Amino acid sequence: DAKTTQPTSMDCAEGRAANLPCNHSTISGNEYVYWYRQIHSQGPQYIIHGLKNNETNEMASLIITEDRKSSTLILPHATLRDTAVYYCIVSPTPSNSGYALNFGKGTSLLVTP
Amino acid sequence: SAVISQKPSRDICQRGTSLTIQCQVDSQVTMMFWYRQQPGQSLTLIATANQGSEATYESGFVIDKFPISRPNLTFSTLTVSNMSPEDSSIYLCSAGGGASYEQYFGPGTRLTVT
Repeated sequence: DAKTTQPTSMDCAEGRAANLPCNHSTISGNEYVYWYRQIHSQGPQYIIHGLKNNETNEMASLIITEDRKSSTLILPHATLRDTAVYYCIVSPTPSNSGYALNFGKGTSLLVTP
Repeated sequence: SAVISQKPSRDICQRGTSLTIQCQVDSQVTMMFWYRQQPGQSLTLIATANQGSEATYESGFVIDKFPISRPNLTFSTLTVSNMSPEDSSIYLCSAGGGASYEQYFGPGTRLTVT
């Protein structure tokens, strides 16, 4: 699996957009970009994933560059509950048997009042 | 979606003993995974458990130390054997498979070895 590089930590004011970058320059053509987050003392939670196109769901937007070497997770209106460690993970599309996740160090996002 | 529960949620164990962690999923899943999260660190995959076959272990993890059972499509156990203080971690199970791209995680078991 391709490796990812994320900033160690970021701050964001409540109500503002949080933009979390991720570099994955060695990504292969069949690999998706997944984002998970882990709120303190909880298990990781899926946020969003994408292959080539930008994606949006009720939690976030994912912007993938045209060359697929980097991506940005956008939380449009960050709240205090969004304080968590955010993991950018590159992994092949899951087969019918599912897939394992290779967690990097992630970005610790602190949302401040 | 799937809801995953783990037992126990936390435990304090003596060196040299073993602890079995249970993971229950509220729906049938193909694959289950066990991760370890050492203090202040990210998650590291221990093994992949497929129902009806032996678990597949990642480099650095062996069956004698972390035996895993997967008796059916909703349940798995991880045993941490002959524990030492270095085994103090959070152990998490997860499940995924089928058409879903999403992997679901349990809340974790916080293990302290004294």
